[in-house]
Amino acid sequence: DGGITQSPKYLFRKEGQNVTLSCEQNLNHDAMYWYRQDPGQGLRLIYYSQIVNDFQKGDIAEGYSVSREKKESFPLTVTSAQKNPTAFYLCASSPGLDGNEQFFGPGTRLTVL
Amino acid sequence: QKEVEQDPGPLSVPEGAIVSLNCTYSNSAFQYFMWYRQYSRKGPELLMYTYSSGNKEDGRFTAQVDKSSKYISLFIRDSQPSDSATYLCALFKTGGFKTIFGAGTRLFVKA
Repeated sequence: DGGITQSPKYLFRKEGQNVTLSCEQNLNHDAMYWYRQDPGQGLRLIYYSQIVNDFQKGDIAEGYSVSREKKESFPLTVTSAQKNPTAFYLCASSPGLDGNEQFFGPGTRLTVL
Repeated sequence: QKEVEQDPGPLSVPEGAIVSLNCTYSNSAFQYFMWYRQYSRKGPELLMYTYSSGNKEDGRFTAQVDKSSKYISLFIRDSQPSDSATYLCALFKTGGFKTIFGAGTRLFVKA
């Protein structure tokens, strides 16, 4: 059963802590993406990766970091430098490098206490 | 000016109504146009994908692109309560790599 999985579904963090969100895909897609979704706003691109061991900053990369050590995995770390981290985080992948058909995971809701 | 504008709604319609959802955009370089459906607390799922101008139909859904007016629409016929969700338009230009998403229109279909 192919798809994208994200874990955990809900995450609570204290201020000043780093936290890592997991994203795994078994679709054999080359490209992977991380988005942030806030109420009333469109999806905003945090980071994207076209290939293993390579990734690029999106529009709102400050306070976030990623790695792409395996084709299937693209974890996102929300660091303490991120000023307003409470949001819904979505991971996506696309079969090609042009990104026009993206498939999304179920999302992780991060709340900073 | 935002690259894409989408009325956030909410839009409330009775079951069986025809629904029209719309987005306008500013950059004529966009060539690929998508519509995603997102249920509450879930990830978006791709509904429709069109290239350039014209219409595309899939069951009760029709996507329409008017590049001259920079206007895209999604029509839902015979709407059902299960269509209640947020609908996001998305645009992409070849070579740009980044997909631009609208803020989404929240739709409620009342039984």
